[in-house]
Amino acid sequence: ETGVTQSPTHLIKTRGQQVTLRCSSQSGHNTVSWYQQALGQGPQFIFQYYREEENGRGNFPPRFSGLQFPNYSSELNVNALELDDSALYLCASRVGGGPGNTIYFGEGSWLTVV
Amino acid sequence: AQSVAQPEDQVNVAEGNPLTVKCTYSVSGNPYLFWYVQYPNRGLQFLLKYITGDNLVKGSYGFEAEFNKSQTSFHLKKPSALVSDSALYFCAVRDAPAPGRRALTFGSGTRLQVQP
Repeated sequence: ETGVTQSPTHLIKTRGQQVTLRCSSQSGHNTVSWYQQALGQGPQFIFQYYREEENGRGNFPPRFSGLQFPNYSSELNVNALELDDSALYLCASRVGGGPGNTIYFGEGSWLTVV
Repeated sequence: AQSVAQPEDQVNVAEGNPLTVKCTYSVSGNPYLFWYVQYPNRGLQFLLKYITGDNLVKGSYGFEAEFNKSQTSFHLKKPSALVSDSALYFCAVRDAPAPGRRALTFGSGTRLQVQP
């Protein structure tokens, strides 16, 4: 049990649509990040939020955006969905501060774009 | 840029035998190294991490990992494999938190298959 919960677990969208994925972290975990894991690959970093502000981003276009709320919940929004966006999206959280702090992952949201 | 290599797509081992899953890394500063396990259709579960200190790190479910700075390796080991250890294993690295590098970089994963 990691204390990180994600919803929905599975969803199917049509190319061009928009999607919002949600995450709830443990109390006190003020740093949340999102990863994309395509089939057969390792997770790829999308972006990170610390105290409700984005403070790091991977090689993902601006149509991937996020929000972090004071109650330790967060969202990942993807606009203009493309077929290649089909993947497992993982939310991860930790206590901010040192780079060695353990990062805990949720079970993920499976997105299929058709 | 930081990177991780897991040279084996799959490792097969008989139950009761020792297992090793290999990982090498590249960072510009001091490495912070992690191992995660992923069971089918599940998220990632934290196994262990190396921050500093003793080169042999012990983690969950009897797993341990050995940090070798000269070989830039962080191999995952277990003295006696169980069938229930069969899963996908990911090595990840993180160096000093600088803008644009506040994330884990994962390897491509190694599938461990333990035969009864």
